[in-house]
Parts: sequence; structure tokens; C-alpha cells
Amino acid sequence: RKEVEQDPGPFNVPEGATVAFNCTYSNSASQSFFWYRQDCRKEPKLLMSVYSSGNEDGRFTAQLNRASQYISLLIRDSKLSDSATYLCVVNRPSGYALNFGKGTSLLVTP
Amino acid sequence: SQTIHQWPATLVQPVGSPLSLECTVEGTSNPNLYWYRQAAGRGLQLLFYSVGIGQISSEVPQNLSASRPQDRQFILSSKKLLLSDSGFYLCASYRTQETQYFGPGTRLLVL
Repeated sequence: RKEVEQDPGPFNVPEGATVAFNCTYSNSASQSFFWYRQDCRKEPKLLMSVYSSGNEDGRFTAQLNRASQYISLLIRDSKLSDSATYLCVVNRPSGYALNFGKGTSLLVTP
Repeated sequence: SQTIHQWPATLVQPVGSPLSLECTVEGTSNPNLYWYRQAAGRGLQLLFYSVGIGQISSEVPQNLSASRPQDRQFILSSKKLLLSDSGFYLCASYRTQETQYFGPGTRLLVL
């Protein structure tokens, strides 16, 4: 089983739509969770951390379910500029490295 | 905030030639440093990480090696490149309780 699994997509949605990405992780001892965004031919950049109680940053909402080892990202009112690959990231319990999912591709169309 | 520099930005090398990619970090001290590779259309593959000067852990033993001669300098090397070494090489910095920052990357094409 892979450490972090994501639906690769692509997700094609119209502007203004709501879209949700899901991610599962295998190591129940993981404590830190993140969503990164990667634009084409660019480095990944942190989008938001994910907290146990769930957290929101503008149009973006992240949720964590530790019992199911499941992380989600909800994007409301999608913009063209949201088109990118979204990476689910989970820390290794050793503390020295992060495990990255392969990413979910999002294309927002006019 | 920290800044990560990588060079060169793009590199085209023949098979069998040597490689040296450099990464330097500003704005932090004693970070953990990482080298990742991302092949076309693939996910991030962790190659090496370092928790201190001279300390290197290898994730994927290959014809690549890494060195950390200074606290904020991380170097990726190869004596002889293979076609399969082509990819996007990313250096990253991470401190516990913070998050991981990436450099702009080096795009390597081996011909």
C-alpha cells in the first residue's frame, strides 16, 4: 500500500464550481498534514496545513479524519487560476521527511 | 522567511557525463535538507535527505550521491549520468514544526 494515495484526476470543472479532492494515508502515527499546490513546470508550494478540527482559508477548506486516515480539500467558487496539481502531504513519524501523494490535477474552464 | 536557491535552472547533458547541482538556503539555520526528483508526469521521489553537516541518508540508491559541506549547502552529484536521470530536481528545506519549502528546481535533460 502506498504511503499517500490520491485520485490523479484530472478534474475538469467550470468556473464557480465546487470541487473536492480526497487523500488517504497509511501510517496512523503521522501527525502533520498539508496540501501543496504545484503549477506546471514549477516547484510545489504550500497551500495550507490541515488541522484535526478542520480549517478554512478563504475559498479553501481542509478536513482531517484520523480514524479513517483520510484528508480532504474543498475548493469553492473555483477560479481559472486554481488550475494546478494539488499534492496531499503527510509527515513520516520519524520526523525527518514528508510523504507526498502523486497529486490530483485540476483544470478550471471558462 | 527562508529562500532556497538552486542552479542551474536548466541543464542538458550527454549520457555518461558528470553532474553537480547546488542548493543553498537563506533565512534559516540547521535545516533538514532534501533532494527530490520528479520525472515527467510522475510524483515526487525523495532521493536524499540530510539532518546536518556531513550527514546524508539515501532513499533510493542509484548512480547519484549527495553531500552537505556546509549547514545551508546541499549538493547532488553523479559521476556518469543515465538517460533515466532526466527529470526535475528539487531541493527542499524543512524544520520541525514548520513546513517544507522548495527551491525553484533544476530541469535536467540527459541525451
